[in-house]
Amino acid sequence: EAQVTQNPRYLITVTGKKLTVTCSQNMNHEYMSWYRQDPGLGLRQIYYSMNVEVTDKGDVPEGYKVSRKEKRNFPLILESPSPNQTSLYFCASSLTLADFNTDTQYFGPGTRLTVL
Amino acid sequence: QKEVEQNSGPLSVPEGAIASLNCTYSDRGSQSFFWYRQYSGKSPELIMFIYSNGDKEDGRFTAQLNKASQYVSLLIRDSQPSDSATYLCAIYTGTASKLTFGTGTRLQVTL
Repeated sequence: EAQVTQNPRYLITVTGKKLTVTCSQNMNHEYMSWYRQDPGLGLRQIYYSMNVEVTDKGDVPEGYKVSRKEKRNFPLILESPSPNQTSLYFCASSLTLADFNTDTQYFGPGTRLTVL
Repeated sequence: QKEVEQNSGPLSVPEGAIASLNCTYSDRGSQSFFWYRQYSGKSPELIMFIYSNGDKEDGRFTAQLNKASQYVSLLIRDSQPSDSATYLCAIYTGTASKLTFGTGTRLQVTL
């Protein structure tokens, strides 16, 4: 089954404690992206990756890091989480960026993060 | 001006009625337009995409695109309680490496 998986699905942590949210897709997609969703602000892109070892900042990259060592995985790293990073996070993937013209992204189930 | 604007709602329609959801965008070069449905706490799921002016129909859903007026709409015919969700409009401009999302319109279908 084609899917994007994220782990953990729920996480409560404290300020400053490093954490990683994993994202994996089994569709051999080149393009992967991380979004955060906050009430009234919609989905905002954090980072994206066009392919292995190619990553770039989205609209709200501050406080986040990513890596793309393998095509299937795109982890989101919060080195020193703060309460303003409390949000619902989604990973998404697409075959290529060009596919946006005829198709779209497949979203993971989401990770609800609370930073105390 | 926001890149993609939607009325947050809630839009309340009775069961069986037509729900009309609207979205305006600012970039005239936008190429593709998407409608996602999102239930509370769940991930967005694609309903329709459109990239040519006019109407595109898929079952009870019709997407309408007017590039001259820079708006895209989604019509849901015979609305059902299961259609109650937030509907996200998203665009792909072809220049930015992402989809740009609106903040969504919450639809409530009442019995």
